[in-house]
Amino acid sequence: GAVVSQHPSRVICKSGTSVKIECRSLDFQATTMFWYRQFPKQSLMLMATSNEGSKATYEQGVEKDKFLINHASLTLSTLTVTSAHPEDSSFYICSARPALKGEKLFFGSGTQLSVL
Amino acid sequence: RKEVEQDPGPFNVPEGATVAFNCTYSNSASQSFFWYRQDCRKEPKLLMSVYSSGNEDGRFTAQLNRASQYISLLIRDSKLSDSATYLCVVGYSGNTPLVFGKGTRLSVIA
Repeated sequence: GAVVSQHPSRVICKSGTSVKIECRSLDFQATTMFWYRQFPKQSLMLMATSNEGSKATYEQGVEKDKFLINHASLTLSTLTVTSAHPEDSSFYICSARPALKGEKLFFGSGTQLSVL
Repeated sequence: RKEVEQDPGPFNVPEGATVAFNCTYSNSASQSFFWYRQDCRKEPKLLMSVYSSGNEDGRFTAQLNRASQYISLLIRDSKLSDSATYLCVVGYSGNTPLVFGKGTRLSVIA
């Protein structure tokens, strides 16, 4: 099956620092990737849709200047949490949908961000 | 009204039991339907797609009722390893993001 690699798996950082999370599709091209956030015992919440070669589409309530998304190639999307604060601590998951595999969505393994 | 609704549970069942989860969706334009499984602090993993004719994969059976906008998942002969959160997911045409339900938590007890 399709593989999506996400790094790092866990980050602990000080308040005010920026954290970059990478999401790679290893065996397919993904013109679109999705970024989700999940707080403990809560549902997945879509943050933004990342489109290769163009600006990301952010969901309502998600600050685009705080959560910078870059999708410079067909296999890589990055999410940068700028000036992280403790309330940004969460589980961040990326996903990609291969064009040739229909509607199925494949997920990265997630990044647990803890901001001290 | 939420787009995809599920009973959050938890469902606590003994090993060997049969358990059923239900899900309703509000948008009649929905075109694709899935059940995903998510373990604690892990990414969701596709369990099975759901088709109008119903489909079965081992102990798992999924059904779709488009008229009632209702999706179900039946798990027979529950195993301890089935303990997880089951996510009902609905998709649309093109690159529109999939919509996830909040999930139903299942605990299978020895």
